[in-house]
Amino acid sequence: GAGVSQSPSNKVTEKGKDVELRCDPISGHTALYWYRQRLGQGLEFLIYFQGNSAPDKSGLPSDRFSAERTGESVSTLTIQRTQQEDSAVYLCASSLRGRNNSPLHFGNGTRLTVT
Amino acid sequence: QQPVQSPQAVILREGEDAVINCSSSKALYSVHWYRQKHGEAPVFLMILLKGGEQKGHEKISASFNEKKQQSSLYLTASQLSYSGTYFCGTEWTGNTGKLIFGQGTTLQVKP
Repeated sequence: GAGVSQSPSNKVTEKGKDVELRCDPISGHTALYWYRQRLGQGLEFLIYFQGNSAPDKSGLPSDRFSAERTGESVSTLTIQRTQQEDSAVYLCASSLRGRNNSPLHFGNGTRLTVT
Repeated sequence: QQPVQSPQAVILREGEDAVINCSSSKALYSVHWYRQKHGEAPVFLMILLKGGEQKGHEKISASFNEKKQQSSLYLTASQLSYSGTYFCGTEWTGNTGKLIFGQGTTLQVKP
C-alpha cells in the first residue's frame, strides 16, 4: 500500500477484555515497530520486528502484551485483560531496512479506550 | 535513557526563528526528527548520522554534535504550517532503527 495502515482506528473496550490491533506496513519494509503514545505524552517504544522475528521486546509493559508478525508483513499487537492504564494511541511504524539511516513511516494509530 | 528535549513549548510569530534541542546521556549513532500535528501520525523531517551526514527533505536544518551527544533543529522564518509537536528520536546501536523518543517540543506559530 501507499502507507502504513492500522486498524481499527478507534477501539473502546471494557476493562478485562482482550484486544487485537493490526498493522499493515509499507510493502517491502523489513522492519516494523510498535509505539504507545499516552495523551499529551511522547512515543514509548514497545517492540521491534526485523522480518518475522522480534529481537527487541524490551518495551512491552507486562506479560499481558504480546505481538507477532507473519509473512514479513502484517503485525498484530494483542493486549490481554485490558486495564484502564492501557488507554492510549498505539502507533505502528515501518522502515525499509531497520538501519540507522532509514526513516520510520508511521501509521495513523489505533486509539484504545478502556472503560 | 530517554533523550531530553528543550524547550518544552515555544510560541512564535510567523517569520521568527526557533531552535529545539535534544540531549542524550548515551553516545549516539543517529538522531531523527519528526513533527506530529494534533490527531495525526508523526512525519519524518530529518536524519543526522554519526559522521556528519544529514538526510532530510524540508527546508529545516539541524546539527549533530557527537561529542556533546546533542542535536539541534533549526526552524528559520517559521510558517504557520510549522506548528505541531517536534520529537527527536535517538538510536544508539546503529543496526536496528529502534528509536527512543524525547518527550516532545510543542511549537505554535501565530500569524
